[in-house]
Amino acid sequence: AQKITQTQPGMFVQEKEAVTLDCTYDTSDQSYGLFWYKQPSSGEMIFLIYQGSYDEQNATEGRYSLNFQKARKSANLVISASQLGDSAMYFCAMRERDDMRFGAGTRLTVKP
Amino acid sequence: NAGVTQTPKFQVLKTGQSMTLQCAQDMNHEYMSWYRQDPGMGLRLIHYSVGAGITDQGEVPNGYNVSRSTTEDFPLRLLSAAPSQTSVYFCASRFLKGSNTEAFFGQGTRLTVV
Repeated sequence: AQKITQTQPGMFVQEKEAVTLDCTYDTSDQSYGLFWYKQPSSGEMIFLIYQGSYDEQNATEGRYSLNFQKARKSANLVISASQLGDSAMYFCAMRERDDMRFGAGTRLTVKP
Repeated sequence: NAGVTQTPKFQVLKTGQSMTLQCAQDMNHEYMSWYRQDPGMGLRLIHYSVGAGITDQGEVPNGYNVSRSTTEDFPLRLLSAAPSQTSVYFCASRFLKGSNTEAFFGQGTRLTVV
C-alpha cells in the first residue's frame, strides 16, 4: 500500500509567488518523521526540511515551511517567494522505525 | 568530507550480466540503504542495513543482493540484469538514532540494461 501520496505530478508558479506542494501519508505509528527533498535537473537529492510527529509547531527553514496537519495526515511544503532556481522535483518522505519511504514526487516549474 | 560516494556514475549492461554498484560513506552512519528511481514512481527502497552484518529487504528487493561487512560500505549486486532494472540507483546513509536524522544521498548511478 502506498504510504506517501503526492497528488500533483506537476505544478507551475509565477516567480516571487508562494506555492504549496501537497503530501499525505499513512501510518499507524505514533512516532515518525516527515521530510522534504529537492532534486534539481542535475540529479542530486537535497534535504530541505524535517517535521517530527511530536513537534507541535510547524517546521520552517528559510523560505520553506511545512504545514503539518497530524489529524489529516498531511505534510504540505510551502515555498514562499519562489525563485527560478526552485524549479525541480520535490519529494515527500516518511521515516517509520528504521526505513524511509518516498512519494512519487511533484515537478515544480517557476515561470519568470 | 566525501559524504556518500557511489560508483560508477553510468553503466550499460547486457541482459543476464551481473555487476556490483558500490557505495561508501565516511560519516560513521549506522544506517545505509539503496533506492531506485523510476519516472512517476519516486524513490523505492530496495534494501537497507542498520549496521554491519545486518541487512533487510525494502519494497522492491527481487533481483538484488546486498551485504554489509563494514560500517562504511554497502554494495548492491545485480545477479542477472534484466531490462526492468534500468533505472537510476541512489545510495543513502544516516545516523540511526535521533529524531532529526536526515538521509544523505550519493550522486546516483544511471544503469541501462539492454
